[in-house]
Amino acid sequence: ETGVTQSPTHLIKTRGQQVTLRCSSQSGHNTVSWYQQALGQGPQFIFQYYREEENGRGNFPPRFSGLQFPNYSSELNVNALELDDSALYLCASSSLAGGYEQYFGPGTRLTVT
Amino acid sequence: AQSVTQLGSHVSVSEGALVLLRCNYSSSVPPYLFWYVQYPNQGLQLLLKYTTGATLVKGINGFEAEFKKSETSFHLTKPSAHMSDAAEYFCAVSDPRGANSKLTFGKGITLSVRP
Repeated sequence: ETGVTQSPTHLIKTRGQQVTLRCSSQSGHNTVSWYQQALGQGPQFIFQYYREEENGRGNFPPRFSGLQFPNYSSELNVNALELDDSALYLCASSSLAGGYEQYFGPGTRLTVT
Repeated sequence: AQSVTQLGSHVSVSEGALVLLRCNYSSSVPPYLFWYVQYPNQGLQLLLKYTTGATLVKGINGFEAEFKKSETSFHLTKPSAHMSDAAEYFCAVSDPRGANSKLTFGKGITLSVRP
């Protein structure tokens, strides 16, 4: 059974640029959640996708957007990057939309200069 | 809204000593509770979870946690620390009646294990 994978591992962008992060969910999982983990902090919920539809969003501006594909993989897009967007971005997959444990990928470390 | 409080940012124990990491939560509904561990430069790994039923739950690597509704707590324990337990530990809560299964995390506790 393949776990959650994310790409790229590391990324360096300049303020104002756009970035796309990718996530492949664990086999059999149809729900993907994205989290932002700033240095020294716990992960913060960005949004969740269930069967290709957004299923809840945290307190993040619209320049954070996402997609889920028919194979349940997902993308996180961030436009107009700001210095504070520098963080570890974690993707998690789960088998149902409500109340089940989430399995995390290794994350993408984004640095905005 | 739900929240998690993990008091203290750093706990240091000797190898073989008891590990106790504290977690208190706030939730208007009976929550689901989780403990995750994060090793340096890695993602989060689920240690254990409480959903319903028995309030003492056992997880991987010898960890266990007890759900105490009256104290709104879900403290993580391990009888004997190993060097390999050194990592960041996060307590998280979710709302089983919510529209989604989002996790709300605490700020985390760094566990150090002294030889």
